[in-house]
Amino acid sequence: SAVISQKPSRDICQRGTSLTIQCQVDSQVTMMFWYRQQPGQSLTLIATANQGSEATYESGFVIDKFPISRPNLTFSTLTVSNMSPEDSSIYLCSVRKGASYNEQFFGPGTRLTVL
Amino acid sequence: AQKITQTQPGMFVQEKEAVTLDCTYDTSDQSYGLFWYKQPSSGEMIFLIYQGSYDEQNATEGRYSLNFQKARKSANLVISASQLGDSAMYFCAMREGYNQGGKLIFGQGTELSVKP
Repeated sequence: SAVISQKPSRDICQRGTSLTIQCQVDSQVTMMFWYRQQPGQSLTLIATANQGSEATYESGFVIDKFPISRPNLTFSTLTVSNMSPEDSSIYLCSVRKGASYNEQFFGPGTRLTVL
Repeated sequence: AQKITQTQPGMFVQEKEAVTLDCTYDTSDQSYGLFWYKQPSSGEMIFLIYQGSYDEQNATEGRYSLNFQKARKSANLVISASQLGDSAMYFCAMREGYNQGGKLIFGQGTELSVKP
């Protein structure tokens, strides 16, 4: 398995502000991903965090709103910018690991509430 | 486009009994992977079990087994001997391609309640 930590675990923010979420993995991984889970909904991929290059964003998500950094193979950050109440969600970091890369693990999530 | 369908929004099971959570999928790829995750109220996503499209045998992990019927495009999760701690949301997910990318497409989830 993989040990993944996220900071903060939860936060309450005012609209118009930004929050940076950190994801730390206990070992080097090639692929790191950021997902969003809106209240009562399923998970949706925001972007793939690439080490040494820009993140790859999914349709409907843009870099200006969700800038991502990936400075090394064990760490990534996701910033939620200029927040609105619609950004209230759980944000989860995910990594793909295992000898056959078949296992995919998630961090504990960051529960964000925007007022 | 690939799609995951979980038709049971909620399920009840008596403690110590077995329960099957349904999942059907749609993809045009020959290579894909199927996952099940458990999400308790704390919000974390706990990886339970994986099945590759080329795996001939159904995956098993402890009390969890995956009933993989490729022709019917179904990947149902079977939990044997249910425990109170199994009460949670359960998500089925699919990833196209064995070793490419990491995008998982999730179903809408099934909320399982285990009754004492």
